[in-house]
Amino acid sequence: ETGVTQSPTHLIKTRGQQVTLRCSSQSGHNTVSWYQQALGQGPQFIFQYYREEENGRGNFPPRFSGLQFPNYSSELNVNALELDDSALYLCASSLTAGGPETQYFGPGTRLLVL
Amino acid sequence: QKEVEQNSGPLSVPEGAIASLNCTYSDRGSQSFFWYRQYSGKSPELIMSIYSNGDKEDGRFTAQLNKASQYVSLLIRDSQPSDSATYLCAVISSGTYKYIFGTGTRLKVLA
Repeated sequence: ETGVTQSPTHLIKTRGQQVTLRCSSQSGHNTVSWYQQALGQGPQFIFQYYREEENGRGNFPPRFSGLQFPNYSSELNVNALELDDSALYLCASSLTAGGPETQYFGPGTRLLVL
Repeated sequence: QKEVEQNSGPLSVPEGAIASLNCTYSDRGSQSFFWYRQYSGKSPELIMSIYSNGDKEDGRFTAQLNKASQYVSLLIRDSQPSDSATYLCAVISSGTYKYIFGTGTRLKVLA
């Protein structure tokens, strides 16, 4: 167990809907990164939050957005869901940003878009 | 486009054998490298990190890094059926501290 938690574990949505996924980082960690993992693929970096600010973003459209709260927990919001958004969404926490920090993953949220 | 390449497998080895998993990366400036294990339907769990050229051993696992060849590998000695999983190689992209993952190698250890 890494101490990183995510909710919900599973979610089913329809195209066009919006979804919010949540992540609580490991105690003492101030940085959260979000990844999308499609079936048979490696995790793809969505964005990272450090002390409530976005600290880097991957090649994902603006309908993927996030927040980090003062307690360093985080949300991933996806608007106008598309079928291709069906994936395992992973959050990973690390001690801090701006360095080669080890990331520890939560259990993930499996999203199915119909 | 900075990339991390892995053979998708499956790599099948008999129980007790050495499993050798390989990874190449394109970003010559990368300095930090990680191996994660992912069981089907689960999230990745860290096995090892390596930052310097050479070998790093932890129990049955040995990570090997060759920055000149842009190559990192993971050896699993005395492979067990419980080692059957997908092994993900991750590299921190230089200048951004962003993790770039390979697609993973599926390992099957046959009892």
